[in-house]
Amino acid sequence: DTGVSQDPRHKITKRGQNVTFRCDPISEHNRLYWYRQTLGQGPEFLTYFQNEAQLEKSRLLSDRFSAERPKGSFSTLEIQRTEQGDSAMYLCASSLWDRGYGYTFGSGTRLTVV
Amino acid sequence: AQKITQTQPGMFVQEKEAVTLDCTYDTSDPSYGLFWYKQPSSGEMIFLIYQGSYDQQNATEGRYSLNFQKARKSANLVISASQLGDSAMYFCAMRRDQTGANNLFFGTGTRLTVIP
Repeated sequence: DTGVSQDPRHKITKRGQNVTFRCDPISEHNRLYWYRQTLGQGPEFLTYFQNEAQLEKSRLLSDRFSAERPKGSFSTLEIQRTEQGDSAMYLCASSLWDRGYGYTFGSGTRLTVV
Repeated sequence: AQKITQTQPGMFVQEKEAVTLDCTYDTSDPSYGLFWYKQPSSGEMIFLIYQGSYDQQNATEGRYSLNFQKARKSANLVISASQLGDSAMYFCAMRRDQTGANNLFFGTGTRLTVIP
């Protein structure tokens, strides 16, 4: 069990470019969550997957954001046409559905849009 | 709607002393869970302690204890015997115990600094 891995740790991109982040959850965890954390705030829920199905999306997740979890393993979060307001830490977490308090977070991907 | 309030942006504590970090919450759900997480500068959210809304006893995990006062809707974190490594951001969070995402709602956090 190597924990939740996120890649890259840091990403600097120019406004208007597309970026993609990857999250590898704990292998036996069937639930996967994406959160966004801006400076001085707590994490905010973006979306979650149970196995490969994306079951809920926050209204924070605009049309420029898309997330996938093919085969119920790793997940990707893509942001198209990045804006400066997208600059944030993007955190991934995983859990077992029957142990709802056992969330494990990754170290996050820090995105800076210049 | 769920809301978590942490009114202390920053706290200082002397090494080896105890410190209490405040958290109040607002929900109309009868069943919910309360969490505390530590976030060091590396960015990872580290789980510290969990309290279920129906738990009769306050949760404890090593040097961490949760002072749960349901009627006041408060869930304060007590860290005993503070260590320099405890310096970090601390977040209180709540989860609704309903079918669905079971995602966490976080407060704005408290930055704890342990003074040698």
